[in-house]
Formats: sequence, C-alpha cells, structure tokens
Amino acid sequence: ELKVEQNPLFLSMQEGKNYTIYCNYSTTSDRLYWYRQDPGKSLESLFVLLSNGAVKQEGRLMASLDTKARLSTLHITAAVHDLSATYFCAVANNNAGNMLTFGGGTRLMVKP
Amino acid sequence: NAGVMQNPRHLVRRRGQEARLRCSPMKGHSHVYWYRQLPEEGLKFMVYLQKENIIDESGMPKERFSAEFPKEGPSILRIQQVVRGDSAAYFCASSRIEGNQPQHFGDGTRLSIL
Repeated sequence: ELKVEQNPLFLSMQEGKNYTIYCNYSTTSDRLYWYRQDPGKSLESLFVLLSNGAVKQEGRLMASLDTKARLSTLHITAAVHDLSATYFCAVANNNAGNMLTFGGGTRLMVKP
Repeated sequence: NAGVMQNPRHLVRRRGQEARLRCSPMKGHSHVYWYRQLPEEGLKFMVYLQKENIIDESGMPKERFSAEFPKEGPSILRIQQVVRGDSAAYFCASSRIEGNQPQHFGDGTRLSIL
C-alpha cells in the first residue's frame, strides 16, 4: 500500500524567510504532484514532477523530486503572506491507473 | 474553458436520507475521480471512472456508496442512508487520459449530516 507523508504538518513563518516542505512516499512512483488549497476552496495544481532529478520553479516556489530516495521537496523562497495556504503532495500509484495518494498536507501561515 | 463543475456546493442531509453529488468533468476529459476530505486531513481516493465504466473503486466503502459516470450527463456519487461520519468535503477531479497530466479538481461539495 502506497503511503505518503508530509512534514511539517504546520508551518508558521515570517515574511522574507525561506523554508522547505518534505514529502516522502513508500513505493516506487514516476509521478508526483504538488497542489495548493486555500481554506474552503478547491485544489490548484502547482507542479508535476515526472523524473528523477526533476526541478520546477514558479515564482517563490521550487519543487524537486528524488525518485531513488522517494522524496520530493517544496522550497519556499522569501515567503510572502499570499503564500499562506495548505500544500499537498500527491503520488500516483504505478499499479493503480492514475489514482493519487495524498499526503496529510502542510498548513503554511506566513506572518507579516 | 469551463473547469470541473460540481454541484451542489453545500448539501445538508438528515441521518438516513440519501445524498447525490454531481460532477461534470472538464471538456475533453474522459476520466473522473472522486476523493473525500475530512477536516484538517488530506484527500482520500474513493473511485475512478471512465464513461460507463468503474475502473477502480478500492477506496469506496462497500455499503451505501455508489458511483456512476453515464454515457450522457455528469458523474454521480450517491450515498444512501447517510450517517454523521459521512460529513466531509467530496471533491471530483478529471483528467484527459491516463498518464502524466495533473488531475483538475472541482470546488467540492461540502456534505453536512444533521
């Protein structure tokens, strides 16, 4: 059974600081996704990571994937208040079509 | 290009009633997925459907829950004889084909059981 763990579960940080969210998963997968969710809202796709060593950047967010370590990171650079949200990683199960297994989420709060 | 459309956005039911949640995938998408989210938790996979076929229902409770995606019309998630524990946000996602494209999510249906 594929398990996905994120840490930290909750992150409070000051504007302008850097931090990294970690996503570990238990079995081989070739697809990992990062989503953002604002309170009471749907999930917004941020990144799709498909290969070992993949790195993608959008604004202050950068995601990377190490398939050998079964680890993805979401790095936040010089955080701003607008980044406050819950961030989920989701891993596709190679043996189950396109089904996604989600991590528990990291609730990010950026303080002015 | 309209996104994934779910309705209703909020649904209140009394214990024992039936709940019907609807999902229209994005145009051109033939794969539909249903997920359930409890407060402060991640999304849990329930069921994966293509038109007129259930591909994977491993995450769906065996009793009271059913899903369909007919040839015409939206996908329906049906919960019979609802109980308090069914209170959650139910999200539908769609994708074009199996593969690497991200699933696009609807705004969800927040189901409350009185």
